[in-house]
Order: sequence, then structure tokens, then C-alpha cells
Amino acid sequence: GAVVSQHPSWVICKSGTSVKIECRSLDFQATTMFWYRQFPKQSLMLMATSNEGSKATYEQGVEKDKFLINHASLTLSTLTVTSAHPEDSSFYICSARGFGGDNYGYTFGSGTRLTVV
Amino acid sequence: SQELEQSPQSLIVQEGKNLTINCTSSKTLYGLYWYKQKYGEGLIFLMMLQKGGEEKSHEKITAKLDEKKQQSSLHITASQPSHAGIYLCGADVPRDDKIIFGKGTRLHILP
Repeated sequence: GAVVSQHPSWVICKSGTSVKIECRSLDFQATTMFWYRQFPKQSLMLMATSNEGSKATYEQGVEKDKFLINHASLTLSTLTVTSAHPEDSSFYICSARGFGGDNYGYTFGSGTRLTVV
Repeated sequence: SQELEQSPQSLIVQEGKNLTINCTSSKTLYGLYWYKQKYGEGLIFLMMLQKGGEEKSHEKITAKLDEKKQQSSLHITASQPSHAGIYLCGADVPRDDKIIFGKGTRLHILP
């Protein structure tokens, strides 16, 4: 089946530093990748949608300069949280959609728990 | 904008009992997904429904999409501890190439 690998699974960083999260589609080509944020006991909130080779489309209220998204290839998208602050601490999940493999449309990574201290 | 409302928000069920989770959309559903999530982990795909009246089953889990395509239900028969987790419904947003989610239903199974 379709598999999306997200790395790291957890990260702790100091306030003011930047953190990069990777999302890879392992057995299919992801034409579109999605980045979500989830607060405790809350649902997934879509942050941005990225298509391979083009700029990401951000949802209203999401700072594009703070959450940098790069989708340079059909198998890799990265989310960089720049100048992280404690309020950025959250659970980030990526999702990929594409073609090939046993892909039902949206395959999710296992998530990254970011803690900013 | 389209919104998904899930009910109940939380559910505690004795092992072996049946249960139903509902997902109601403010607009017509063109693609409805059910996922399961354990806290702090990624989403596991359960089922996708597209046609009005469609019903799909996987092991002891059955999902239906009503004829009007604005509501879906997820039914678990003879619940087991492994069914515990957060169940999320998601919907395709037409022309926006994205999926939105309900707030989830937290299911606890009592042994």
C-alpha cells in the first residue's frame, strides 16, 4: 500500500531556532502534499497545500514566512518552522496524494511532535 | 465554507458492545473518508465513500453514506480494546483540491 514517511517523529528545539520536517512518499509519486497542524484534543487543521515544483498555497491565517514549505520533487516535501516559539509547539502531520501504488487519495505520515522550549 | 460535525465528541463503551459515530456535512459530500488516529500518531485510512447510499465494511467496522450525501455513519460491531482511538471523518472540498476534517470522536473501550 501507499506509504508516507515523516521525519523526525519528535523534536525539541530552543526558541528562536528553525526546525525542518520531512515528508516522503515511499512507493508512489506525490503530486500534491498537504501539511496539517493538530493541537491536543483538536482536529487536524490544514496549513498549506503544495504541488511539486510550484509555490505552496497557504490557508488563511497561516504565516507563509514562518512556515516554509518546499516540494522540490515528487517524493519529498519539507516544512520548516522558522524562528520557532513555544506557541508553535504542536503535532504536525503531512499527507500526500498522487499516483501509483495502492493510493486511496490521501496517505498520511505518522506525524511530528514539535516542542519549543 | 464546508464544515463537518462529528457526534458524539467522546464515547465510552463496554467491550463487546456496538457503537455508532456520525459525521454531518454542511454541504453535499463528494468524497467522505474515515480515519482512525491514536493520540500522537498519524492517521490510518479506514474507508472512503462517494456514492449516495453506499456502504462499506472492513472487519467489524461498517461505514455508510446517506442518499442525500450529507451524512455518514461509522458503526463498530462487538467493540474490542483495539478499536480505541480517535475517529476522524474527512471530506473532499470540490475545486479546492484538499480535504477537511471533523473534530473527531474519542472512543474508549472498557474491558
